[in-house]
Amino acid sequence: DTEVTQTPKHLVMGMTNKKSLKCEQHMGHRAMYWYKQKAKKPPELMFVYSYEKLSINESVPSRFSPECPNSSLLNLHLHALQPEDSALYLCASSQPRDSQREAFFGQGTRLTVV
Amino acid sequence: QQQVKQSPQSLIVQKGGISIINCAYENTAFDYFPWYQQFPGKGPALLIAIRPDVSEKKEGRFTISFNKSAKQFSLHIMDSQPGDSATYFCAASRGHNFGNEKLTFGTGTRLTIIP
Repeated sequence: DTEVTQTPKHLVMGMTNKKSLKCEQHMGHRAMYWYKQKAKKPPELMFVYSYEKLSINESVPSRFSPECPNSSLLNLHLHALQPEDSALYLCASSQPRDSQREAFFGQGTRLTVV
Repeated sequence: QQQVKQSPQSLIVQKGGISIINCAYENTAFDYFPWYQQFPGKGPALLIAIRPDVSEKKEGRFTISFNKSAKQFSLHIMDSQPGDSATYFCAASRGHNFGNEKLTFGTGTRLTIIP
C-alpha cells in the first residue's frame, strides 16, 4: 500500500464554519506534511509532523490547526477561513531516514471558502 | 537562498520528441533533488530523484542530469508521449534534521505533448 488517502475530496465551507480535513497512510511513515497549493503554483509547506510531534509550522495563521492523533492519521482543522484560503490542500508522508526521502502525496482536498 | 528557479514555464513538444526542463538552485546545502509530475486534480507524484554525488540518473524514458558546479539540474523526457502531458515540478531539500526536511519546489512547467 503506497497510498496517502485524503478526505473529503471536495469541501465548500462558509467563513464561519468549522471543518476538518483528514489524511491517512499505512506505509509506516513517521513524517507527515500539510501543503497548500494554489492554481498554477507549486505546493507550499504548511506543517510537518515528525514522530507525531509538530516539528515545522511555516507561520501558518491560527485558523489552520493541525493534529496528529497517531502515526497513521493527520488532520487539519479549519475555522473562520477567508476566501483567499481556497486552494488544494495536500497531505504527504515520508520516512524520516536519510536513505529515504521520497514523499508520497495524497490527491488533495479541493477547498472552496465562500 | 531557498529558491529553486525552474524554466520554461510552459513547453510544447511533438510526440516522440525530447522534453527538457531546467532548474537552478543557490543553496549548496541541498542534497536531494526530486522531480514531481502532477496531473490536473491530482497530487504530485515522485517521478525520479537524484543526489549530488552522481551526474546523471536514468529511469526508463526519464533522465535527470545534474551539474553540481553550476548548481543546475534538468529533466529529460525521451520519446515524449501525450500521456506525459502534465505539470512538472523540480524540488530540492536538505536532510539537516530527520523529519524536519522541507521540499523547496520550483515554479512548475506545464508540458503539452502534441500528436
